[in-house]
Amino acid sequence: DTEVTQTPKHLVMGMTNKKSLKCEQHMGHRAMYWYKQKAKKPPELMFVYSYEKLSINESVPSRFSPECPNSSLLNLHLHALQPEDSALYLCASSLDRPSYEQYFGPGTRLTVT
Amino acid sequence: SQQGEEDPQALSIQEGENATMNCSYKTSINNLQWYRQNSGRGLVHLILIRSNEREKHSGRLRVTLDTSKKSSSLLITASRAADTASYFCATDDNYGQNFVFGPGTRLSVLP
Repeated sequence: DTEVTQTPKHLVMGMTNKKSLKCEQHMGHRAMYWYKQKAKKPPELMFVYSYEKLSINESVPSRFSPECPNSSLLNLHLHALQPEDSALYLCASSLDRPSYEQYFGPGTRLTVT
Repeated sequence: SQQGEEDPQALSIQEGENATMNCSYKTSINNLQWYRQNSGRGLVHLILIRSNEREKHSGRLRVTLDTSKKSSSLLITASRAADTASYFCATDDNYGQNFVFGPGTRLSVLP
């Protein structure tokens, strides 16, 4: 199974809402990532978990809170987002570090109203 | 940061023609990867080339790496309409951390 799944596919939330994005992989990968991608731009790395520990946090605002409950699951908790946070949020996984081939999920299209 | 940069930003070709995309980066790397993204969807890994390699092939794809010029190229031969997508290069640093995507090339293959 070389699939990374993400739920939900689409999410619309108000600026006062709290929501969570979920990501799952069963490839035995020990590194998982969250990326943010705006239209016609490249993905931007937000967080890296390696062996269930947060190893890279690219100066992301605290309204984004990652969580890695186990080696197969990755969550991104959202709270008090701004309209400029509307984007495609991509989850990926790889063997144990970013320099290995990364497998991407289909993404969650987030709209903040 | 070691932002990769692609050239050209957009490319339109006819089916059957070859497409060449270039990528430049700024700092020393561990390896360089190329990904494809169909409109608004997840990325698909195409090929990885290590810093000590100069050329790599995978099917209709040919990637070159010139570490002295800090540049790479992706050649797609005998293009098909299904190759229409955005293509990104991505680099890490010498420690295998900090993964950065270039701005991408939007390829359109016309039937």
